[in-house]
Amino acid sequence: DTGVSQNPRHKITKRGQNVTFRCDPISEHNRLYWYRQTLGQGPEFLTYFQNEAQLEKSRLLSDRFSAERPKGSFSTLEIQRTEQGDSAMYLCASSLAGSYNSPLHFGNGTRLTVT
Amino acid sequence: AQTVTQSQPEMSVQEAETVTLSCTYDTSENNYYLFWYKQPPSRQMILVIRQEAYKQQNATENRFSVNFQKAAKSFSLKISDSQLGDTAMYFCAFSYSQGAQKLVFGQGTRLTINP
Repeated sequence: DTGVSQNPRHKITKRGQNVTFRCDPISEHNRLYWYRQTLGQGPEFLTYFQNEAQLEKSRLLSDRFSAERPKGSFSTLEIQRTEQGDSAMYLCASSLAGSYNSPLHFGNGTRLTVT
Repeated sequence: AQTVTQSQPEMSVQEAETVTLSCTYDTSENNYYLFWYKQPPSRQMILVIRQEAYKQQNATENRFSVNFQKAAKSFSLKISDSQLGDTAMYFCAFSYSQGAQKLVFGQGTRLTINP
């Protein structure tokens, strides 16, 4: 169990650019979640996958945001035409479906700064 | 919509003291789960303790225990014999009993343990 891995740890980009983050969940976990955490706040749910299927998306996930999990393993979160309001920590978590006792395991996050 | 409120933005205690963090929530559901997560300065969110709403007995995990008052919709965390390593942000979170663990987090309490 190597834990949930997120890359990059930090990303600085200029407004209007596109960015992509990657999350590698714990290998046997079939559920994967994306959360966004702004400074001084708790994480907010963005979306989640079970295997390769994206089952739910938050209203927070505007059209500029897209997430994929093509083979049911790693996931990517892309933000197009970034805005300063997108600056936040993006957290990925994974869990094992079918076992409600399976808690979420979080990664260290990717901190995005939009200048 | 479910909401989670943590009314203490910051707390500070001396090492070995006992500290209680408050959390209230609002939901119309009868079955749900409550969690306390810890986020140390290294940023990785770690599950501290969880409580199933249908269980009357308060959950305990070593030095960590909860006081779950379902009627009052209150879910406080007590840390006994506090240690320097307990210094972190603590988040209270809520999720439904069915479906994915889509968590709703509170704003967090920054806890500092002083030597």
